[in-house]
Amino acid sequence: DTEVTQTPKHLVMGMTNKKSLKCEQHMGHRAMYWYKQKAKKPPELMFVYSYEKLSINESVPSRFSPECPNSSLLNLHLHALQPEDSALYLCASSQDLDHEEQFFGPGTRLTVL
Amino acid sequence: KQEVTQIPAALSVPEGENLVLNCSFTDSAIYNLQWFRQDPGKGLTSLLLIQSSQREQTSGRLNASLDKSSGRSTLYIAASQPGDSATYLCAVKKAQGGNMLTFGGGTRLMVKP
Repeated sequence: DTEVTQTPKHLVMGMTNKKSLKCEQHMGHRAMYWYKQKAKKPPELMFVYSYEKLSINESVPSRFSPECPNSSLLNLHLHALQPEDSALYLCASSQDLDHEEQFFGPGTRLTVL
Repeated sequence: KQEVTQIPAALSVPEGENLVLNCSFTDSAIYNLQWFRQDPGKGLTSLLLIQSSQREQTSGRLNASLDKSSGRSTLYIAASQPGDSATYLCAVKKAQGGNMLTFGGGTRLMVKP
């Protein structure tokens, strides 16, 4: 299995809702990433996990809460989001932080009403 | 701070043309450079990865070059096809400090039949 999967593909939520995005990989990678991508803009790094520990938090608001329950799974918990948080959320993985190539999932298209 | 620029932002060509996409970066202290393809609303597909010590990489009709000293990379697409229509992103990884990628703004390519 050489792919990163993300669920759901699409998500519509209200500003008072709590939802979670999920990412999974079975390539044995030990580094996983969350990116946010607005329309016609490049991806922006949000969080990096290395060996299930948070390595980098790019000053992301606390309404986004990442979780890495094991080496194959990465979650992004969402609470009290704003309409401007609507974007494509991409997950990626790499063998480790020192290894070059990042593999991306298909993304979750999030709309906040 | 590393800045990555891609020119042109959009490109439309007839089928069969050879074309060149450009990527420039301000800090030459990079570990590698990666070219991605992104279809609308989808995730990123890695096309080519060039290590800082390499000059070029080839995959099928794609050829990527790297001139680290001048802060430039090009992606050459031979005999373009309508299926090549997508946004092409370049990203650089800095030489030290984890596997963080800095993305360019992308080039939206349209290949007309």
